[in-house]
Amino acid sequence: GAVVSQHPSWVICKSGTSVKIECRSLDFQATTMFWYRQFPKQSLMLMATSNEGSKATYEQGVEKDKFLINHASLTLSTLTVTSAHPEDSSFYICSASPFGAGGRFLTEQYFGPGTRLTVT
Amino acid sequence: QKEVEQNSGPLSVPEGAIASLNCTYSDRGSQSFFWYRQYSGKSPELIMFIYSNGDKEDGRFTAQLNKASQYVSLLIRDSQPSDSATYLCAVRISDKLIFGTGTRLQVFP
Repeated sequence: GAVVSQHPSWVICKSGTSVKIECRSLDFQATTMFWYRQFPKQSLMLMATSNEGSKATYEQGVEKDKFLINHASLTLSTLTVTSAHPEDSSFYICSASPFGAGGRFLTEQYFGPGTRLTVT
Repeated sequence: QKEVEQNSGPLSVPEGAIASLNCTYSDRGSQSFFWYRQYSGKSPELIMFIYSNGDKEDGRFTAQLNKASQYVSLLIRDSQPSDSATYLCAVRISDKLIFGTGTRLQVFP
């Protein structure tokens, strides 16, 4: 149980275009979803936290107009990188929890396999 | 000062030995502490978490927490080549996890 999928697993796009990454919880309802970014040999950096039906909460320094997050249902969240540039090339990882803030949503957080984005 | 610090390694240990991975954190308000394993090109997998001072054991893994020293460690007993990976320490601050940059562990036969 507790499987999270991401699609695509890798994507190459041209500078200036937009790319959408999907994150799905396959066997549970994801009350909370997180989006992380990881540059080579660096730590995971939280980009935003989203709850179903609510606007995402973005971390300081993350441009909300560039990284559009939609958590439209309890099993699906999407991250759209708009007007992508080479510096956006990174490993994007989502995670999902059946719990909300203040509870077990960090100890019961399940990671997707990640999406490697390369912007040329 | 980084919020969560780890030695990047690599830490090389022979098969069967104990690997000791260390992590320090700066925020005394940190509530709980996590160890993840990440293989190259993959997403992190939770090994265990700890929130009370002392030791917590799970199979070959033992997490140790010392809040006074702001220090958390992970011991891996009977290390196997399959344990070779990057180990990420993460600290819960408010409602999010802050990750360290990880320590690369190499277990050689």
